[in-house]
Amino acid sequence: DAKTTQPPSMDCAEGRAANLPCNHSTISGNEYVYWYRQIHSQGPQYIIHGLKNNETNEMASLIITEDRKSSTLILPHATLRDTAVYYCIVKAGNNRKLIWGLGTSLAVNP
Amino acid sequence: GAVVSQHPSRVICKSGTSVKIECRSLDFQATTMFWYRQFPKQSLMLMATSNEGSKATYEQGVEKDKFLINHASLTLSTLTVTSAHPEDSSFYICSARGGGTISREGQPQHFGDGTRLSIL
Repeated sequence: DAKTTQPPSMDCAEGRAANLPCNHSTISGNEYVYWYRQIHSQGPQYIIHGLKNNETNEMASLIITEDRKSSTLILPHATLRDTAVYYCIVKAGNNRKLIWGLGTSLAVNP
Repeated sequence: GAVVSQHPSRVICKSGTSVKIECRSLDFQATTMFWYRQFPKQSLMLMATSNEGSKATYEQGVEKDKFLINHASLTLSTLTVTSAHPEDSSFYICSARGGGTISREGQPQHFGDGTRLSIL
């Protein structure tokens, strides 16, 4: 599976949009981009995933560049409860394993 | 939908005790479940992949006789840490993939809330 690169930490003001980048320049055509987050001392929470097209759900939006070498997770109106470590993972659909990096620690400030 | 329940949430026990952790998919059937371990300030490390009705597949360096996995039904997998020692103290997390009886390509994994194991 392709390797991903994320900034180690980010800050965001409450109520503003949080844009979390992820670089996956070696992604293959059959690999999906998944985003999870982990709030302290809890299990990871699935946020969103996509293959080629941009995706939106009730939690967030996922913007994937046309060349698929990077993506951005957007939390449109960040709240204090969005403070967590956010993981971007690239994985082939028929590969069951998720390989976890260190993610981005997002701090939402009042 | 896609809720995974893990029990217990916290265990404190003496060295030498065996500890069983349960992972249940509440509203979907999971032919495959995964067990992870996470040490403080580190990322999740996959321990094993649990397949319903067959033997689990362990990652390199994980002792299968130490960490017994049973996946007896489509909604339940258990991890037993046998003869636990202080170095086994960690945060153990399970996950299950997708929803429904058919595992579709690209389906995400959904996670339990984890079990914090402390061995004295």
